[in-house]
Amino acid sequence: GPKVLQIPSHQIIDMGQMVTLNCDPVSNHLYFYWYKQILGQQMEFLVNFYNGKVMEKSKLFKDQFSVERPDGSYFTLKIQPTALEDSAVYFCASSLQPNQDTQYFGPGTRLLVL
Amino acid sequence: GDSVTQTEGLVTLTEGLPVMLNCTYQTIYSNPFLFWYVQHLNESPRLLLKSFTDNKRTEHQGFHATLHKSSSSFHLQKSSAQLSDSALYYCALSVISYNVLYFGSGTKLTVEP
Repeated sequence: GPKVLQIPSHQIIDMGQMVTLNCDPVSNHLYFYWYKQILGQQMEFLVNFYNGKVMEKSKLFKDQFSVERPDGSYFTLKIQPTALEDSAVYFCASSLQPNQDTQYFGPGTRLLVL
Repeated sequence: GDSVTQTEGLVTLTEGLPVMLNCTYQTIYSNPFLFWYVQHLNESPRLLLKSFTDNKRTEHQGFHATLHKSSSSFHLQKSSAQLSDSALYYCALSVISYNVLYFGSGTKLTVEP
């Protein structure tokens, strides 16, 4: 089936540094999402993105977070600066349509902030 | 706010026995969409079932679920568990929005021989 790729699979960085998580969504999809999963907890919505704009974001999407997809390349989540509480698995997803269309998930990037 | 509750964190059962994983949700919206996602070890979560029709059974790959708005439930069932069903199962809710999914905490299903 359709696949979403995420690069890197693991990332370890020092607190205060910048990190960029990359997502390669399904090729014809138009809607993109990031979810965060802290160890032992449920996946939580961070942000969705369409046509170059953030459509919705949760309270977890702090000012230090930003997303973009320049020229149809990777859909990225940037955290600058990182904090200890940013340690989590970050899942990217994409869908063709909005409104309850199936979201296809990537395998996640495991981020550890020291 | 909108939320999903999965009461069982861990379910262990023997191959061949029936599976039932509980999911209840909370929302003020009258037309929720409910989803079950499955995540096998070292793989991405993938959609197993979805429904928005009240009291209609939805089936896929031997699993089935029925959305009951009266009880705000969307339990996942299978008549006979297989070893390959061992995985994490997430129930999720979507309401009026740009497809935001609200996930439950997940149930880890382990099927033993």
